[in-house]
Order: sequence, then structure tokens, then C-alpha cells
Amino acid sequence: NAGVTQTPKFQVLKTGQSMTLQCAQDMNHNSMYWYRQDPGMGLRLIYYSASEGTTDKGEVPNGYNVSRLNKREFSLRLESAAPSQTSVYFCASSGLDIRSYEQYFGPGTRLTVT
Amino acid sequence: GESVGLHLPTLSVQEGDNSIINCAYSNSASDYFIWYKQESGKGPQFIIDIRSNMDKRQGQRVTVLLNKTVKHLSLQIAATQPGDSAVYFCADPNQAGTALIFGKGTTLSVSS
Repeated sequence: NAGVTQTPKFQVLKTGQSMTLQCAQDMNHNSMYWYRQDPGMGLRLIYYSASEGTTDKGEVPNGYNVSRLNKREFSLRLESAAPSQTSVYFCASSGLDIRSYEQYFGPGTRLTVT
Repeated sequence: GESVGLHLPTLSVQEGDNSIINCAYSNSASDYFIWYKQESGKGPQFIIDIRSNMDKRQGQRVTVLLNKTVKHLSLQIAATQPGDSAVYFCADPNQAGTALIFGKGTTLSVSS
């Protein structure tokens, strides 16, 4: 039982390049989330998927797209990376009970855009 | 609005002391709160949660207190250890109940 896994762990991009961050969970969770974490800013929600086939914008969705590939996988895509997207990205998942908000987080992807 | 925040960005304590980390929230309709611990280089990890029908909840060495009158919650860590050094976040659900909103975090440093 690996929990929530993310790939890659580190990435350096040039401005304008694209990439996809991968996330998978093996806990049979319905909901999955992408957050970014910047120094002094806490975690900010980018997108979330309450169930397979649905995605919704969070607090800071601009410049990102997501795909809920199946129940296990939720990917985050940067189509044209910008230096402002330099951050640590965390994927999380949570269970079916809407009042049980405990989220399980992956180890993070550290992205630098030059 | 639906935001949570912490009073102090940093807290330094001696090993063995009790630590108190505070959090204020603005949404009086919030009915659920969670505390997370994030160690350096890792993702946040669940510590303890509390529902709004409770004032206090205890875990192993941790206690969360909720004061709905002043919209304040706190995390108390007893006999703080060096392994408790981390960033601590409080969080509560957004209005739609579909995601968590996190505060900015308090960095706890424990010296031995």
C-alpha cells in the first residue's frame, strides 16, 4: 500500500516548456486534489476532482489543466511554464465520506521554471 | 469568508516544554477542523481533527481546543520533542464541502 505517489520528484523547466505531473493513489479514494506550496503562503488549491470524470477549479487554477484519468490517477499539466509557477506541488486524495476530510498527501514535486 | 490563519509564523520551545499553536478562522459556519504536520521535504501528515460539536479532543500527546465564540482553535503538544519540529497547519472545508482551505502554517522549532 503505497498511499499517494507523485512523479517526478524534481523538475527544472525553461519558460514556455510544458510538462505533466503525475499522481496516483491506491486507497480507492473518490476525491483527489492538486495544491501548490510557496514560502509563507501555505497550501493553495489548484484543482480538485470529487469523483472520476469530474474536475473543478480551486483557488489558483490559471496556467494549469488537469485530467482525472481514472479513479486512481489525477494529472496536472502546465502547458506553457512561467517562472511564477516555480513551487512545490502536492497531490492529495480523500475518501468518500464528505464529512471525513482527512486528506492523504504525496511527497511533492519540486518544480523550478527558469 | 472561508479562510483560516495562524497567529504566529514561528514558535521556538525547549525539549520537554508544552507547545501551543494557535489558529483563527473566519467562517462561523465551519463545522470541521484539521491539524496537519509537515516535516521538511515531505507532504503534510494528518495529526488530529475536531468537529464543531466538540470543544476539545485529545490524541497521543496532542490536544485540540475549539472556541467557537471567538472562532479560534489551538493545538497543544505535550512534552515537545525534537521530532515535533515541523510546520503545523490548520485547515477547514470550503463552503461547498469539497476541499480543505489551509492556513499559512506555524514553524515549530524544538531545541534540546
